[in-house]
Formats: sequence, structure tokens, C-alpha cells
Amino acid sequence: DADVTQTPRNRITKTGKRIMLECSQTKGHDRMYWYRQDPGLGLQLIYYSFDVKDINKGEISDGYSVSRQAQAKFSLSLESAIPNQTALYFCATSDPGQGPDTQYFGPGTRLTVL
Amino acid sequence: SQKIEQNSEALNIQEGKTATLTCNYTNYSPAYLQWYRQDPGRGPVFLLLIRENEKEKRKERLKVTFDTTLKQSLFHITASQPADSATYLCALDGGSGNTGKLIFGQGTTLQVKP
Repeated sequence: DADVTQTPRNRITKTGKRIMLECSQTKGHDRMYWYRQDPGLGLQLIYYSFDVKDINKGEISDGYSVSRQAQAKFSLSLESAIPNQTALYFCATSDPGQGPDTQYFGPGTRLTVL
Repeated sequence: SQKIEQNSEALNIQEGKTATLTCNYTNYSPAYLQWYRQDPGRGPVFLLLIRENEKEKRKERLKVTFDTTLKQSLFHITASQPADSATYLCALDGGSGNTGKLIFGQGTTLQVKP
């Protein structure tokens, strides 16, 4: 089984809808991250969490919110989706106890906002 | 602000040749640098990490160099194969005060032709 899973894998929604992307991990890592990827722009950090009670904004958090329900679960919500949030979204985990933060990524969610 | 630059143009090489990808950065001094591989529609996968006090790191056919004076890392794949075709991302630690975060370049796509 995959260590980092994301659901759904693909989602098409309409402008103004609220949607949630979910991430689960079995690696036992405390640190979790949400990124979005647009063609030619690389990975941009949306939110990150170093433990269940520690949540921080990344460089592009506007229009997004997160919830860390447990060590293993980190959800990303779009409160009112807009077309320019169409992108590929990745969840990642890391464990500082293993040295520098090497990150382990999920398979991604392709989101389309019409 | 911190900035990372990778060649935006795709690199096309013949099978068996050495591929060399470049990662340049400005405006800070990272403690370490990482390289990831990303296949289309999939999450990045960690390949190699090199620390600021290391000049070179090798893993099988992969070699990474880190020149902190030039603020540059080179990523080499020797005896390249069509299966090496992918996008390669470099990532740097977020610097002091940003522990646990990575900053990613936009990636360079490598195409190895048989």
C-alpha cells in the first residue's frame, strides 16, 4: 500500500463550490505539507503542519484552509473555488528525526474549477 | 527574496550520453540541497541530498555537485536511458527561520532518446 494517499485523484467542480482534498499517511511522520503545482511554476507551498497542534501558512494560502485531524490526516479545503485554483495538488510528509527534511509525496489530486 | 532557477527548456539527449542539469540560486545560503524526480501526473520522488560542506555526492548513475561559491548545483545522469526521461526538480532548505520547509525550482524536463 502507498505510504501517502490522496483522495480524490481527480475532481471537477464549479466556481463557488466548497471542496475538500484529503491526505492520509502511514509513515508515522509528524510533518505534513500541501503544495499546488502549475505548469512551469514548480511546487508552491500552501500550508504546512509540524504536528497536530501546529499549522502554518505557506506562500500561497489565500483562498485555502486546512485541518489536521490526526497525525496521519491533513485535509485541504477550498472555501469557494475559483477557476485559477485549477491545478495539481500534492500532499507530502517528512520526518526531521531522519535528518534534513526529505519529503515524501502523495500521487496528487488534479482539480479543475469550471 | 530567495530564488531558484532551473533550465526551463527541455533537455534532449541520446541514450548512453551523460545528462547534466543545472540549479542556480540567489539571495541565501542553504544548508543542503535536494534533487527529486517527477513523472507526468505523479508526485515527486526524492533522489539525492547534498549538504553545504559536501562537494559531490553519488548514487549509482547519479552524481550531484554543490558549489556554494557559484551558488549552483549540477545533477548528472551517466549512461542515460530512456527510462530516465522525466522532470527533475531541485529543492533547497528554507534557510534559518524556515526549518522544515523546502523551496522548489520549477524543474527541467529530460528526454532521453533511444
